[in-house]
Amino acid sequence: ETGVTQSPTHLIKTRGQQVTLRCSSQSGHNTVSWYQQALGQGPQFIFQYYREEENGRGNFPPRFSGLQFPNYSSELNVNALELDDSALYLCASSFSGRARTGELFFGEGSRLTVL
Amino acid sequence: SQQGEEDPQALSIQEGENATMNCSYKTSINNLQWYRQNSGRGLVHLILIRSNEREKHSGRLRVTLDTSKKSSSLLITASRAADTASYFCATVSTGANSKLTFGKGITLSVRP
Repeated sequence: ETGVTQSPTHLIKTRGQQVTLRCSSQSGHNTVSWYQQALGQGPQFIFQYYREEENGRGNFPPRFSGLQFPNYSSELNVNALELDDSALYLCASSFSGRARTGELFFGEGSRLTVL
Repeated sequence: SQQGEEDPQALSIQEGENATMNCSYKTSINNLQWYRQNSGRGLVHLILIRSNEREKHSGRLRVTLDTSKKSSSLLITASRAADTASYFCATVSTGANSKLTFGKGITLSVRP
């Protein structure tokens, strides 16, 4: 158990809809990162939030957006869902901020299916 | 895009044997990490090795890093059925400190 919790664990949406995924970071951690993991692939970096600001972004379109709250929890929002957005979405917390990324503590993920 | 390339893609061994997994990467790194994932669940951090380190141990795990060859290996000694999982190497590149770049992973099966 890492202390990182994600919700919901599973959800099904249809193309064009919007989804919000939530993450509570481990106590004492101030940085949250989001990753997308397609079936049979390694996780792909979406973005990272440090002290409520985006601190790095991967190769994902603007319809992927996020927030970090003062308690360091975070949301990932995806608009205009596409079939290829079907994946496991992983949240990871750490206490590294703008320093070199060290060990990440992952939640169990939210599995999104887009029909 | 994937930075790391793990080798082999799948490995099946008998309980008690050693498992060796390799990873190659493309850019200069700050550190390299290995993670484990059980059947589509969250990833668990195993070990981190910094770019100025060559070898590190943690319990039954031994990781090596060769920055001249841009490669790393993870050795699991005296494997157990519970070690059955997917293993990923991930790198933090210099100049891109906010993210880990993962490979596609290695599926390890340990037969009882």
